[in-house]
Amino acid sequence: QKEVEQNSGPLSVPEGAIASLNCTYSDRGSQSFFWYRQYSGKSPELIMFIYSNGDKEDGRFTAQLNKASQYVSLLIRDSQPSDSATYLCAVNAGGSYIPTFGRGTSLIVHP
Amino acid sequence: SQTIHQWPATLVQPVGSPLSLECTVEGTSNPNLYWYRQAAGRGLQLLFYSVGIGQISSEVPQNLSASRPQDRQFILSSKKLLLSDSGFYLCAWRSLGTEAFFGQGTRLTVV
Repeated sequence: QKEVEQNSGPLSVPEGAIASLNCTYSDRGSQSFFWYRQYSGKSPELIMFIYSNGDKEDGRFTAQLNKASQYVSLLIRDSQPSDSATYLCAVNAGGSYIPTFGRGTSLIVHP
Repeated sequence: SQTIHQWPATLVQPVGSPLSLECTVEGTSNPNLYWYRQAAGRGLQLLFYSVGIGQISSEVPQNLSASRPQDRQFILSSKKLLLSDSGFYLCAWRSLGTEAFFGQGTRLTVV
């Protein structure tokens, strides 16, 4: 059974702080990793993807991947109240038709 | 560019009534198509996926069914809705190895 684990939260951070969201996965064959943001009542939207070990930065977002530890994280710098949402981690094994989603971490950024 | 259309956005149906939700994708050929359900405060539950016309794989046995009559059309149906079918239904598409893109979702309330 392929599993993706996330702390459901809520994770509460003050405005301007760094929010750190974590995700672990069970399938060592996983090759692609995605972070989605989902606002309440809306569909998930992709914000980051990462395929290789290390860090990948895009604006205020940094995705970090450690395949040896089967761990992927998302850092949000200078957090804003508009970042308040649920963040879903998704993992895909090579050749698999089905991405596996975590249950999401709720992030609250308070002014 | 690729777009995905899902309708209706909201739906209120009585118990025992039929259901038909439609999803279409534009700008790509032979996409993998998915139906997910998300209950309130819960993660994404994969219901069906399809890798080609007429090819449907069911992940969860229940009173729902899916069909793919055309390459870029995916339909979710039920003959008789249950109260437990209430939720947020999401259609998604992806090419193998890439990220999933979601439709706007359908909020279904069975009363």
